[in-house]
Amino acid sequence: AQSVAQPEDQVNVAEGNPLTVKCTYSVSGNPYLFWYVQYPNRGLQFLLKYITGDNLVKGSYGFEAEFNKSQTSFHLKKPSALVSDSALYFCAVRDVDYKLSFGAGTTVTVRA
Amino acid sequence: DVKVTQSSRYLVKRTGEKVFLECVQDMDHENMFWYRQDPGLGLRLIYFSYDVKMKEKGDIPEGYSVSREKKERFSLILESASTNQTSMYLCASSLLNPDTQYFGPGTRLTVL
Repeated sequence: AQSVAQPEDQVNVAEGNPLTVKCTYSVSGNPYLFWYVQYPNRGLQFLLKYITGDNLVKGSYGFEAEFNKSQTSFHLKKPSALVSDSALYFCAVRDVDYKLSFGAGTTVTVRA
Repeated sequence: DVKVTQSSRYLVKRTGEKVFLECVQDMDHENMFWYRQDPGLGLRLIYFSYDVKMKEKGDIPEGYSVSREKKERFSLILESASTNQTSMYLCASSLLNPDTQYFGPGTRLTVL
């Protein structure tokens, strides 16, 4: 089965600094990778996905992610974090039958 | 925009009660999913459906059942609620291709 791992439970950054949320994957075949964000007491919102093509994927709210096949990683990045980016972030990989397998999540806190 | 709605944001039930969680999507998506979200465990798939009247077990189907009588509606049923089913329940839908899943706001269920 396909799987993803998010090695950091929490990430803390100062506003204006770069933000990186890490994700590594394990798949057989070509990976379809996703990032979602969850604000407090809300459902998940889609940020971006990698299917094929350019290794740098741009998404919503100024986020981007870099697909690295040799390192089996799909890290989420934002050049300049905002306090409003404080949320729970999930990496996911498409599994069989159109299912998604999610990581455990990384809590991002951006301090003013 | 895709809209996925869930019948309740917060629900409190007693042990042994039968519980119905309803999910409706308005984008004619073939696939629908039910997840539960618990801290540190990410999202775990309970059941999914890829067509009307079709259902497939996910990773943690025990204690749950589902119903999909119409394409836009997918119900999760707790036959006899137990305290270990206290959780956040998230519904999602997607087209067959592409695979992006769109989530509802979630139902926070407490079983006393």
